[in-house]
Amino acid sequence: NAGVMQNPRHLVRRRGQEARLRCSPMKGHSHVYWYRQLPEEGLKFMVYLQKENIIDESGMPKERFSAEFPKEGPSILRIQQVVRGDSAAYFCASSPNQGGSGAEAFFGQGTRLTVV
Amino acid sequence: QKEVEQNSGPLSVPEGAIASLNCTYSDRVSQSFFWYRQYSGKSPELIMSIYSNGDKEDGRFTAQLNKASQYVSLLIRDSQPSDSATYLCAVNLRDGNKLVFGAGTILRVKS
Repeated sequence: NAGVMQNPRHLVRRRGQEARLRCSPMKGHSHVYWYRQLPEEGLKFMVYLQKENIIDESGMPKERFSAEFPKEGPSILRIQQVVRGDSAAYFCASSPNQGGSGAEAFFGQGTRLTVV
Repeated sequence: QKEVEQNSGPLSVPEGAIASLNCTYSDRVSQSFFWYRQYSGKSPELIMSIYSNGDKEDGRFTAQLNKASQYVSLLIRDSQPSDSATYLCAVNLRDGNKLVFGAGTILRVKS
């Protein structure tokens, strides 16, 4: 049973380009979280999605950032017109359910985004 | 007030000692609590979950939850140098909306 798969593992973009980060949840998991982590800092919640629904996007910057989790395929975190401050590790986690014991979330290996 | 708070440390303990890590949370409705371990440059790894008041033991790890005090802790017995990492407390706020992490406590186990 494959774990949470994120790709690419490393992504380099020039300022102004678009970055697309992909996350395939564990089999049987329908809940996906995205987090951003700057060096030497904690995990900052960005967005929580279920299939075809954004449940909580309170941690997403209002501009340039968007996320989706379509009925088929991986969840996508999209950053338009990247700036150097977007350089960070982006982690995806998935869980089978919300709340209670089903809320145990497992992380992918992350995507390290570098904006040059 | 932060939603989930941890002492950033570093917490230094000698090999073989008990390491005690603490976490407080702000939302009284929260029902699900987790501890993750993160090695430098790696992704977080789930090590413990707890849902009801009291203690939960798994090997050398014990999680403790006190909902009245909005407090959750992690004890690591017989600490090993390989336990040196950042420990992240996570709370499922509003029992289902979002999983929020504390800033993490750096643990250093000295041999």
